[in-house]
Amino acid sequence: DGGITQSPKYLFRKEGQNVTLSCEQNLNHDAMYWYRQDPGQGLRLIYYSQIVNDFQKGDIAEGYSVSREKKESFPLTVTSAQKNPTAFYLCASSIRRQVGEQFFGPGTRLTVL
Amino acid sequence: KQEVTQIPAALSVPEGENLVLNCSFTDSAIYNLQWFRQDPGKGLTSLLLIQSSQREQTSGRLNASLDKSSGRSTLYIAASQPGDSATYLCAVYQVEGGGADGLTFGKGTHLIIQP
Repeated sequence: DGGITQSPKYLFRKEGQNVTLSCEQNLNHDAMYWYRQDPGQGLRLIYYSQIVNDFQKGDIAEGYSVSREKKESFPLTVTSAQKNPTAFYLCASSIRRQVGEQFFGPGTRLTVL
Repeated sequence: KQEVTQIPAALSVPEGENLVLNCSFTDSAIYNLQWFRQDPGKGLTSLLLIQSSQREQTSGRLNASLDKSSGRSTLYIAASQPGDSATYLCAVYQVEGGGADGLTFGKGTHLIIQP
């Protein structure tokens, strides 16, 4: 089955810790995205990548970092610099940036203890 | 900066009714508009994608229209069922230089279909 997987489903972080959220796709898509969802707000773009070894900041990149070493993988690290990281994180992909549907993974819920 | 608004924020209707969800956007320079469904605690499921050159798309009981010049889209759900209960999200992909590099989302319409 083609699709997007995210792990873990739930993640707990202590103050001062960095944590990494995994996103993998087997759709052969070039473009991948990370969004953050907070209650009462729309989804907001954190980072996106058009192609391997390329990524760009979105609207709320501060306190986050990404890498794109493989086409199918786009992990997101939430660093200790992110002051309010508790949220639902969603990864998405599309054939190319601006082209075609975006398909989403099941999400990771991050909670700061 | 692009803004997407969805009205109503919440809607509760009896099973079997036809209903319309509304989405408006402030900047008509878009590549496409996409409607999604989100169940509680889950990811987004893509329902329909309308390219900027298209006027509507249909999938089963769903029909989405796009009027780019007026900055509006509607999602029509025919013969609603309890399984349609979910939050429906509208999102637009801005043309480059519009201030966004991914989808810009509305806050959604929370739909409840009463059995």
